[in-house]
Amino acid sequence: DAKTTQPTSMDCAEGRAANLPCNHSTISGNEYVYWYRQIHSQGPQYIIHGLKNNETNEMASLIITEDRKSSTLILPHATLRDTAVYYCIAPYNQGGKLIFGQGTELSVKP
Amino acid sequence: GAVVSQHPSRVICKSGTSVKIECRSLDFQATTMFWYRQFPKQSLMLMATSNEGSKATYEQGVEKDKFLINHASLTLSTLTVTSAHPEDSSFYICSGGAGWYQETQYFGPGTRLLVL
Repeated sequence: DAKTTQPTSMDCAEGRAANLPCNHSTISGNEYVYWYRQIHSQGPQYIIHGLKNNETNEMASLIITEDRKSSTLILPHATLRDTAVYYCIAPYNQGGKLIFGQGTELSVKP
Repeated sequence: GAVVSQHPSRVICKSGTSVKIECRSLDFQATTMFWYRQFPKQSLMLMATSNEGSKATYEQGVEKDKFLINHASLTLSTLTVTSAHPEDSSFYICSGGAGWYQETQYFGPGTRLLVL
């Protein structure tokens, strides 16, 4: 079973920041947190990952709490194309075997 | 990011026939690939691990004789659904690892199978 907790759904206004939380309280010190998203009828798309420090790339920012029990994915300026199901995966299993939870269905509205 | 392709993107077949789905890593080599299945309104469920040059390992509850996996090269894994039935209709997705330790998984676009 997945070891993360995410809200089932969230809405965000276009152009605003979308902040998607994830609880992963059972993660251990050397286990990564990964985020993927799945746009309807497509394969999941890698977004970002992190261990302890905050991370940023061209798609998003990842904020990991100091105790590493939770993280937040931030889409700084959400667009309609960001409407998708967002999956937080933690711990990220070395070797690539991923266990998906239910994720958060983000709806970006005009 | 790395690119994974799947073929076909969608397939319709009659009950009792077999269907082969290909998963290719286009710009990286993957010693391990993974196959997932996704039913409508549900999350992805891992079916099996495809290992290059050796037998696949299957998750609990997945019939290995029904879902045949072959990983003949570092860039190709195939999933064959044998004697397909309507309950096998689903969205099948593969992934392969790329990067320094092949940690980050990249997913194919998926194959939608409809068994009539």
